[in-house]
Amino acid sequence: GNSVTQMEGPVTLSEEAFLTINCTYTATGYPSLFWYVQYPGEGLQLLLKATKADDKGSNKGFEATYRKETTSFHLEKGSVQVSDSAVYFCALSDFNQAGTALIFGKGTTLSVSS
Amino acid sequence: NAGVTQTPKFQVLKTGQSMTLQCAQDMNHEYMSWYRQDPGMGLRLIHYSVGAGITDQGEVPNGYNVSRSTTEDFPLRLLSAAPSQTSVYFCASRTPFPVVTFFGQGTRLTVV
Repeated sequence: GNSVTQMEGPVTLSEEAFLTINCTYTATGYPSLFWYVQYPGEGLQLLLKATKADDKGSNKGFEATYRKETTSFHLEKGSVQVSDSAVYFCALSDFNQAGTALIFGKGTTLSVSS
Repeated sequence: NAGVTQTPKFQVLKTGQSMTLQCAQDMNHEYMSWYRQDPGMGLRLIHYSVGAGITDQGEVPNGYNVSRSTTEDFPLRLLSAAPSQTSVYFCASRTPFPVVTFFGQGTRLTVV
């Protein structure tokens, strides 16, 4: 079955540091890949997505590239801010299958200090 | 534009009690779903619906019931609450292609 594995947290960084959160997936079809962010006390918000191999999703300075050869979708940001402190979830879905929902990784907590 | 609205935001139940978590969306989405979020587990799918009158089980459906009588509403029922159902519950709806998923703000449920 489909699954997502992301790096364990928490990740603690100083402001302006470089961020990488690793995400790898297992899928039988051709999934779409997503990064969601959850700020404290809030629901999940879509951060970025990629729908096919070699696509790069980007938003708010975050980037992730859909790598089919390594089944990866690592999240990166060149210079993090305190306001980026949140929980980040990698997810996949094969929307070609009727009724398929998002499958999430376990989440990675990012804490950025000034 | 309200999006996906969940009520209540917080709830404490005693073991054995029943209750319904409400979810409504105003975007005319056919696909809706319920997830639970537990520490270190990510989000896991409880039930989903692809349209009014059509529901199906997800990964962790035991102890929960759903129905979909209208496009807008997708309530989640706990039949007899157990401490293992202490969790944060999220309702979601999504657009057809291109797919975008919208989440509610969540319901934090504690069963004592």
